[in-house]
Amino acid sequence: EAGVAQSPRYKIIEKRQSVAFWCNPISGHATLYWYQQILGQGPKLLIQFQNNGVVDDSQLPKDRFSAERLKGVDSTLKIQPAKLEDSAVYLCASSLRGDWGGGEKLFFGSGTQLSVL
Amino acid sequence: AQSVTQPDIHITVSEGASLELRCNYSYGATPYLFWYVQSPGQGLQLLLKYFSGDTLVQGIKGFEAEFKRSQSSFNLRKPSVHWSDAAEYFCAVGPNQAGTALIFGKGTTLSVSS
Repeated sequence: EAGVAQSPRYKIIEKRQSVAFWCNPISGHATLYWYQQILGQGPKLLIQFQNNGVVDDSQLPKDRFSAERLKGVDSTLKIQPAKLEDSAVYLCASSLRGDWGGGEKLFFGSGTQLSVL
Repeated sequence: AQSVTQPDIHITVSEGASLELRCNYSYGATPYLFWYVQSPGQGLQLLLKYFSGDTLVQGIKGFEAEFKRSQSSFNLRKPSVHWSDAAEYFCAVGPNQAGTALIFGKGTTLSVSS
């Protein structure tokens, strides 16, 4: 089966510019997550969608970050304006329903590496 | 608060030697526990997971992990390390309080010496 697709693979911008990342989850996966992974750290959840609704965005810096999941499939994460500390890898992940007790797996994309200069 | 601690930032092991990577968690109930591996430029790959039942779980690539409730630990082990095992290893616990997301530790970098 096709995996989680993300684009672009790399992005370099200057601070105060805007940037957008795109994610296409595995077909049929209702749950979609955006994680931020700063160099040397583990992934940190930014936002979780269930279909096209937001389940958890408690760690999303809403003054500059926004995300949407149109029609419950593809998702876009935007940063405007970007800061130096936003330099990180942005990972998209998806699962069928997020039912870990049911034996589900979490599938990750390869990520978008963002450098803010 | 829910959290995961990986006490070792970097470990170097000789090829052929045994490996143990430590993971401790803080969680209000019985958690779902995971180990992921990330090679440079690669995505996160699931090694193994614990949901319930037998506390010793087997994963891919010869890895295993043991859930110890009394110690709030889920350490990853491998009896004989190969050079290709050099990577970043992440322990994760879930679900988080608000949804179903996994909470990741900061990771342990494994280097393998010849």
